[in-house]
Amino acid sequence: SQQGEEDPQALSIQEGENATMNCSYKTSINNLQWYRQNSGRGLVHLILIRSNEREKHSGRLRVTLDTSKKSSSLLITASRAADTASYFCATGMIQGAQKLVFGQGTRLTINP
Amino acid sequence: NAGVTQTPKFRVLKTGQSMTLLCAQDMNHEYMYWYRQDPGMGLRLIHYSVGEGTTAKGEVPDGYNVSRLKKQNFLLGLESAAPSQTSVYFCASSLGTVSNQPQHFGDGTRLSIL
Repeated sequence: SQQGEEDPQALSIQEGENATMNCSYKTSINNLQWYRQNSGRGLVHLILIRSNEREKHSGRLRVTLDTSKKSSSLLITASRAADTASYFCATGMIQGAQKLVFGQGTRLTINP
Repeated sequence: NAGVTQTPKFRVLKTGQSMTLLCAQDMNHEYMYWYRQDPGMGLRLIHYSVGEGTTAKGEVPDGYNVSRLKKQNFLLGLESAAPSQTSVYFCASSLGTVSNQPQHFGDGTRLSIL
């Protein structure tokens, strides 16, 4: 069964706008990770945020984690056409630490 | 530095045929994983390995077998292919447990079972 659920399933915005994607999960986690997948390619790791962290930045990416609400968000600022991809959250469980459980992804389209 | 390499990239099989998907990583990672990705389903873990000579079942292991005879290689076998196994298969590796390490993915093998 899927641990993470992402919202929205698809998002289309204009270049230069900010994009926000959300991820909710069900059970306690050790960490939460975000990945990007370009069409026809494998997943690329973006950010890992641990359960004791609330916010993390990497370039134009900002990830927040609210363990009380069991949710995370990924913000991409000043979007570019190259940001067009699917974005997945993945949770590292406290039990079964060898495994990640992936959400179904958000398909982001940046229109020029 | 190639990272994670999967072969083949595409394959079409007939129902009942067998085949092996190869995953190779050159990062000296201990952990390796096989996932399948189906439309609207995200990635589901098939099998994984925490080191050379070890394997363990994931979420959807039925119909698949794996072997990790060498640290750098992780093989996924389909003994008798079924149409339900039509999917895109991804291999990944990580330096340590996912509690503190990201996973590195190959570009996938697109498998169709007729």
